[in-house]
Amino acid sequence: EAGVTQSPRYAVLQEGQAVSFWCDPISGHDTLYWYQQPRDQGPQLLVYFRDEAVIDNSQLPSDRFSAVRPKGTNSTLKIQSAKQGDTATYLCASSYRNTEVFFGKGTRLTVV
Amino acid sequence: GDQVEQSPSALSLHEGTDSALRCNFTTTMRSVQWFRQNSRGSLISLFYLASGTKENGRLKSAFDSKERRYSTLHIRDAQLEDSGTYFCAAANYGNEKITFGAGTKLTIKP
Repeated sequence: EAGVTQSPRYAVLQEGQAVSFWCDPISGHDTLYWYQQPRDQGPQLLVYFRDEAVIDNSQLPSDRFSAVRPKGTNSTLKIQSAKQGDTATYLCASSYRNTEVFFGKGTRLTVV
Repeated sequence: GDQVEQSPSALSLHEGTDSALRCNFTTTMRSVQWFRQNSRGSLISLFYLASGTKENGRLKSAFDSKERRYSTLHIRDAQLEDSGTYFCAAANYGNEKITFGAGTKLTIKP
């Protein structure tokens, strides 16, 4: 069984540029999560979906971040106008029916 | 506020020793999952518990089934490859929200 796939693995941007991260969850998993992990900190939830619906995006900086999962499978997280404070690893995870969560390898973003 | 409190924040041990990591929850949690994050940043799932205990080789984890307010991870006979940062993550009742602790950075010395 394939795991959670994320791309790209790395991204380097200048402030003000936009970037999109892509996630392909484990097939059949209904719940998909996006986390932000700054260096030397624990992952912090940004948004999660059940199927195509956003369940909680309260921690997503809505002025510059957006996330979609239009068909309830793959998901895209986009940052408009990146800031240096967005430098972090972005992790995608999926689970089925509120059970064990599986993570992708993450996208390491550096904003200079 | 913070719901998952992890301790200790850092731990340095010699090979062959035993250790215990702990997560306390400020509210009753439905389940807990333990991860090890390697040097490349990958989060490797060690255990998922909705109750009771699980064991895998030198690792053992427990989730307080009565009050569901804490979980522990025991590492027996530590080896160099156990080094890394260990995270617990707990799931709330009533939703799928999963909250991480701040992690324990474990260093195993020869």
